[in-house]
Amino acid sequence: KNEVEQSPQNLTAQEGEFITINCSYSVGISALHWLQQHPGGGIVSLFMLSSGKKKHGRLIATINIQEKHSSLHITASHPRDSAVYICAVRGTGNQFYFGTGTSLTVIP
Amino acid sequence: GAVVSQHPSWVICKSGTSVKIECRSLDFQATTMFWYRQFPKQSLMLMATSNEGSKATYEQGVEKDKFLINHASLTLSTLTVTSAHPEDSSFYICSASRSYRGDTQYFGPGTRLTVL
Repeated sequence: KNEVEQSPQNLTAQEGEFITINCSYSVGISALHWLQQHPGGGIVSLFMLSSGKKKHGRLIATINIQEKHSSLHITASHPRDSAVYICAVRGTGNQFYFGTGTSLTVIP
Repeated sequence: GAVVSQHPSWVICKSGTSVKIECRSLDFQATTMFWYRQFPKQSLMLMATSNEGSKATYEQGVEKDKFLINHASLTLSTLTVTSAHPEDSSFYICSASRSYRGDTQYFGPGTRLTVL
């Protein structure tokens, strides 16, 4: 069993839709990261969370430490949001664990 | 700010040769750099963590003699794949952080290695 599980694995949405990607983890963590990887391979760090909620533009990330769960929301989705979204956690022993990613396609 | 570059972006080599990949933080000092590899349609796998001026810490299962990492300055880390074989073909990505904890990582664009 992976330490980090993401759902869904693949997601197709119409432009403008509200999107949610979920991440559950089974280890104690010091921080959780949401990463975005574009088709060319480049990775951007979207959020680093240890509690609560963060917002950046149309992106919102939340984390519930007690439930070991995080969500990434995209409001008013756009084709340029099409990418693979990866959830990663840093364990309390400084290890990194990565989810297998959610491939998002936003159709115009 | 916080730009990380990698060079080369793409390399093909013959089996048995060594390949060096550079990771540079262009506009900040990177106390810690991370090296990852990614197989097609799979997620990232952390290979090693390097702090400037000290030996890299390798993840379990990663051969330190095969994947040599040097972090000689606060802006440059190198990964050398020694005696490369076709199974080493992969996408190698580095990231850099200003802190030792690596809390916020800035990722390079990746290097695609193909070993013939």
